[in-house]
Amino acid sequence: DADVTQTPRNRITKTGKRIMLECSQTKGHDRMYWYRQDPGLGLRLIYYSFDVKDINKGEISDGYSVSRQAQAKFSLSLESAIPNQTALYFCATSGNSVGELFFGEGSRLTVL
Amino acid sequence: SQQGEEDPQALSIQEGENATMNCSYKTSINNLQWYRQNSGRGLVHLILIRSNEREKHSGRLRVTLDTSKKSSSLLITASRAADTASYFCATPQGGSEKLVFGKGTKLTVNP
Repeated sequence: DADVTQTPRNRITKTGKRIMLECSQTKGHDRMYWYRQDPGLGLRLIYYSFDVKDINKGEISDGYSVSRQAQAKFSLSLESAIPNQTALYFCATSGNSVGELFFGEGSRLTVL
Repeated sequence: SQQGEEDPQALSIQEGENATMNCSYKTSINNLQWYRQNSGRGLVHLILIRSNEREKHSGRLRVTLDTSKKSSSLLITASRAADTASYFCATPQGGSEKLVFGKGTKLTVNP
């Protein structure tokens, strides 16, 4: 089983719908991250959490929210999806302050 | 904001050749990391080099860091078709634990 699991792996939805992407990890890491990847733009940080009570905005948090339900679970929500949120979303974890990240396999979201 | 910038954007070589990718960054760092991404898959950490290190090896990978020039290079020796992937450098933003990624170099190794 993967150490960092993302669900769903693929999702097609319509503009205005609420979408939740879920991430769970078995690495026992405190630090969890959500990144977005768009062609030609690399990865951009949406939100990150250093523990259950600590949530921080990243570079592009507008239009997104997160929930850290437990040490192992970190969910990303799009309250009202729009087409320019079509992207590949990655969850990642880190176990130390140096910052080496362990990534999930990604959730491909298409907003029509 | 983009911290690291890889060069070239794309690189195509023959199997057995060496591949060199470069990364430039803007602000002082305490470490620089390289990641690999197979098409549409999650990123995989390759190697981390600290600011007080100049060179590091891992198997067929060789990473150098020049803090005076704010640049790093990743060399893959004796490349294989399986090395075909995108390669990203990443640096901590402003001394924090947030990693900022470049746009990547897409490497194609032809059999």
